Amino acid sequence: GAGVSQSPRYKVTKRGQDVALRCDPISGHVSLYWYRQALGQGPEFLTYFNYEAQQDKSGLPNDRFSAERPEGSISTLTIQRTEQRDSAMYRCASSLSAGGPNTGELFFGEGSRLTVL
Amino acid sequence: TQLLEQSPQFLSIQEGENLTVYCNSSSVFSSLQWYRQEPGEGPVLLVTVVTGGEVKKLKRLTFQFGDARKDSSLHITAAQPGDTGLYLCAGARASGSRLTFGEGTQLTVNP
Repeated sequence: GAGVSQSPRYKVTKRGQDVALRCDPISGHVSLYWYRQALGQGPEFLTYFNYEAQQDKSGLPNDRFSAERPEGSISTLTIQRTEQRDSAMYRCASSLSAGGPNTGELFFGEGSRLTVL
Repeated sequence: TQLLEQSPQFLSIQEGENLTVYCNSSSVFSSLQWYRQEPGEGPVLLVTVVTGGEVKKLKRLTFQFGDARKDSSLHITAAQPGDTGLYLCAGARASGSRLTFGEGTQLTVNP
């Protein structure tokens, strides 16, 4: 497709399980971002890549969260030993430019809704 | 601590009214963007402002970046029900790459 694709769209898991959320950015987009968004609120920054390099991971809440983009295209956000407080909408966005959002528009995916029971 | 403060948080008005949404910060931003988000969808960019004092118009929407590049406003003239949505400001600081979002303004325009 032409847009940012995220999978799964919905994920329900039990507390303590690991989950992996996938993001397929727009073809040719250099930068890829992960955000977490609560209902009716603005996205909260998690981490950001330029090509395969993780530029900023200061928004990851703790060491149970990690992200990778090994070939500079598809990215995976992994949450280990999930907790109920991890329940949220996780959104991926990509940008054509490598200069960060200073120079480019972010295109968002439809998100992955994670529910931890 | 919220880097970007948006006000009001909620706004419900009648069709045809004018409104202004504010985005304020104590930090300087090299650029500021406004996004609109509809239920079930991701945010979609409306405009980017980069110069202090800059004013941009997009049909009935007017965006302004403060002279000191610490604040911005979005003014909508003659609001329509189709303007309903979550309006988000987002700032990028020259020293880093993260795009920080405000908490959003939920606008409802009643017919």
